[in-house]
Amino acid sequence: GQQLNQSPQSMFIQEGEDVSMNCTSSSIFNTWLWYKQDPGEGPVLLIALYKAGELTSNGRLTAQFGITRKDSFLNISASIPSDVGIYFCAGNAGGTSYGKLTFGQGTILTVHP
Amino acid sequence: SAVISQKPSRDICQRGTSLTIQCQVDSQVTMMFWYRQQPGQSLTLIATANQGSEATYESGFVIDKFPISRPNLTFSTLTVSNMSPEDSSIYLCSVLDYKLNVNNEQFFGPGTRLTVL
Repeated sequence: GQQLNQSPQSMFIQEGEDVSMNCTSSSIFNTWLWYKQDPGEGPVLLIALYKAGELTSNGRLTAQFGITRKDSFLNISASIPSDVGIYFCAGNAGGTSYGKLTFGQGTILTVHP
Repeated sequence: SAVISQKPSRDICQRGTSLTIQCQVDSQVTMMFWYRQQPGQSLTLIATANQGSEATYESGFVIDKFPISRPNLTFSTLTVSNMSPEDSSIYLCSVLDYKLNVNNEQFFGPGTRLTVL
């Protein structure tokens, strides 16, 4: 089945620094989604990407849908302490798999004030 | 986005027992899903809850272990049957609806944290 490889697994950064994380897939996706999960909560959707090459921003967050449709990255600029959490990429292949998300392993982000 | 609630928010259960988790949405949604998140792990899709018919299970998950109901477009339940400590996880429901968006954006409930002793 489809697998997503998300990296890095964890990051320890200083407040104000920029962050970059990425996901690669063994197969093509039609949709890439980026979620943030805080302890004890469900994942919250940050950015959704729908076509190859698409670059989308949401405040300090920027994400891109790779040209090959097998990868995506998420950047966070000027990190702040509330950015702490686990970030997940998720992809969907569409077609008969419509709605079924495959998740990456997650990136644990720690921001030191 | 829809407002999604889950009950219970957490529970501690004895092995061999069963727990039913409820997911309630504040509006009618086309699709509902159930995911499992094992401790320190990512999310894995268990099944698609189909309104008025049997759920569609992913590889590795079976109806006898995880029976699912979806009696209407705003409600679904997941039962974790004959539990063992390996079932200790966070169970999350998610929704997707064409009225909310025409793309593949899914919104998640807060999760049910299950501990099996």
